[in-house]
Amino acid sequence: AQSVTQLDSQVPVFEEAPVELRCNYSSSVSVYLFWYVQYPNQGLQLLLKYLSGSTLVKGINGFEAEFNKSQTSFHLRKPSVHISDTAEYFCAVMVTGGGNKLTFGTGTQLKVEL
Amino acid sequence: EAGVAQSPRYKIIEKRQSVAFWCNPISGHATLYWYQQILGQGPKLLIQFQNNGVVDDSQLPKDRFSAERLKGVDSTLKIQPAKLEDSAVYLCASSSGGIRETQYFGPGTRLLVL
Repeated sequence: AQSVTQLDSQVPVFEEAPVELRCNYSSSVSVYLFWYVQYPNQGLQLLLKYLSGSTLVKGINGFEAEFNKSQTSFHLRKPSVHISDTAEYFCAVMVTGGGNKLTFGTGTQLKVEL
Repeated sequence: EAGVAQSPRYKIIEKRQSVAFWCNPISGHATLYWYQQILGQGPKLLIQFQNNGVVDDSQLPKDRFSAERLKGVDSTLKIQPAKLEDSAVYLCASSSGGIRETQYFGPGTRLLVL
């Protein structure tokens, strides 16, 4: 079975500073990787996804993530955060050939401060 | 285009009562998902429909939870009887049905069982 680990439950950062949210996964088969963002009292919104090809994936709102197969990681980065980036961020995996089932991590709360 | 609609947004019930949630997916989306998100955890897939057929319900507690998707459009998720541990946000998502297609989430129904 596959699993996702988000080691940081909370990440405080000042506005305009860079940020990295960490995600590691475990799976015996190939996976697709996703990052979703959840603003308060809203559903999840897709930030970016890795399916194949280039390991550096660019998403919406200036976020990017890099797939590292040897380290089984898919860390999310943004060079300069804004107050509006304050939200919960979820990393998720989907097993290739296993339907469309997403397995989520426990989430990282990003809090951007002035 | 309109997003995934869910109702009600909030529900408070007492344990052993029954409750139902409704989801209207994005028009034309063949696949519909119900997730349970307990506070402090990532969403967990309860059931996945392809049109009006069940694809995966391996994590649905079938002794108390039931779901249906009549006519392959709207869906309802029911809990009967509810337990304290069912307090969570219930998220509905839909996708066009192809492999690896993006899942679009609704705002969720927040359930509190007292």
